[in-house]
Amino acid sequence: AQSVTQPDIHITVSEGASLELRCNYSYGATPYLFWYVQSPGQGLQLLLKYFSGDTLVQGIKGFEAEFKRSQSSFNLRKPSVHWSDAAEYFCAVVEAAGNKLTFGGGTRVLVKP
Amino acid sequence: EPEVTQTPSHQVTQMGQEVILRCVPISNHLYFYWYRQILGQKVEFLVSFYNNEISEKSEIFDDQFSVERPDGSNFTLKIRSTKLEDSAMYFCASSDVGRTNEKLFFGSGTQLSVL
Repeated sequence: AQSVTQPDIHITVSEGASLELRCNYSYGATPYLFWYVQSPGQGLQLLLKYFSGDTLVQGIKGFEAEFKRSQSSFNLRKPSVHWSDAAEYFCAVVEAAGNKLTFGGGTRVLVKP
Repeated sequence: EPEVTQTPSHQVTQMGQEVILRCVPISNHLYFYWYRQILGQKVEFLVSFYNNEISEKSEIFDDQFSVERPDGSNFTLKIRSTKLEDSAMYFCASSDVGRTNEKLFFGSGTQLSVL
């Protein structure tokens, strides 16, 4: 069965610093990969997705992610975080022929002033 | 931007009681989903719904759970006899694309507390 691992439960970063959130997946074929963000009191918002093609994908709010097949990873990055980026971030995968998401455990990001 | 709306935002109930969680998907969407997140655990798929029937469900979605689209706008999740372990955040989602979840929109969730 497919699975998604986010090794970091919490990350604290200073405002203006760079951010990288790790995501590893376990799946036989190339899955479709997603990053979602959940701000306090909000639903899950899609940041970006990877289906095929260019392995570096751009998303909203200045985020990007890179798919590395050899490492089964899809890490999320942002060059310079803003206080409003404090939230919980979820990596998710869906098999190409399926319609249900499998989520990682999430990484909570705290932003220091 | 269109939104998926869930009500109530918080629901407290006694063990053994029935609860109905309500969702208003985006109006032109055809595929509907429920996910849940128990505190400290992963977001888990419960069920998907299309064309007035369940298209897929997880092992969590047992006979205590049911979904319904009673009219053209609402999508509900019913838990017949709640258990303590049903306490979780329940997310509704909708999409106009059935596969790949390419355009999946989530609501802000209903926090269910079973006492």
